[in-house]
Amino acid sequence: QVQLQESGPGLVKPSQTLSLTCTVSGGTISSEGYYWNWIRQHPGKGLEWIGCIYYRGNTYYNPSLESLVTISIDTSKNQFYLKVGSVTAADTALYHCARRSLYDTRSFDIWGQGTMVTVSS
Amino acid sequence: EIVMTQSPATLSVSPGERVILSCRASQSVGNNLAWYHHKAGQTPRLLIYGASTRATGIPARFSGSGSGTEFTLTISSLQPEDFAVYYCQQYDNWPPLTFGGGTKVEI
Repeated sequence: QVQLQESGPGLVKPSQTLSLTCTVSGGTISSEGYYWNWIRQHPGKGLEWIGCIYYRGNTYYNPSLESLVTISIDTSKNQFYLKVGSVTAADTALYHCARRSLYDTRSFDIWGQGTMVTVSS
Repeated sequence: EIVMTQSPATLSVSPGERVILSCRASQSVGNNLAWYHHKAGQTPRLLIYGASTRATGIPARFSGSGSGTEFTLTISSLQPEDFAVYYCQQYDNWPPLTFGGGTKVEI
């Protein structure tokens, strides 16, 4: 079955760029009908949707984060990516990647375990 | 942005009890609402979509209801593995997709 796995540095310095990778296994990222998403959870807080990408490259972002966030995809590697620029302590969070169906459940049906990112000097 | 509000923030219950969790949307989302279950250290799991349809493999003790702005998730008889945080999420009007703040179900 399809599985997602996040990877990236656990520690990023303030003002630098946070870069994460989500690797999709057990299926193809180029499947019609799925958005590939990034979601984060600040320590002790709820879930915040960051944005998503379709395999053709269409992107959608949370307006509150759009100016600092870029999501991209590499179908040849079955991976998609998140970049958050000029990070601050407020970007310290557990970052999940997740798949959302366009047609069936229209919900996040598969999630990665998450990767913790701490912003600190 | 549609704001999702969940209540209560924390619910203290015993195994076997019936649990009702609430979720309210700041404007109508039709039936475009999902519920998730999240245990620390584990992957969040989709429970309900379309406000009332159980996802694949979800036990019948979980049921969802509501439409428009008011929704509930009912667990008919709480099992030990059900102690977790529950989130509602709307997908009617986006971006952004938005989640409620969560309800922690604890012993």
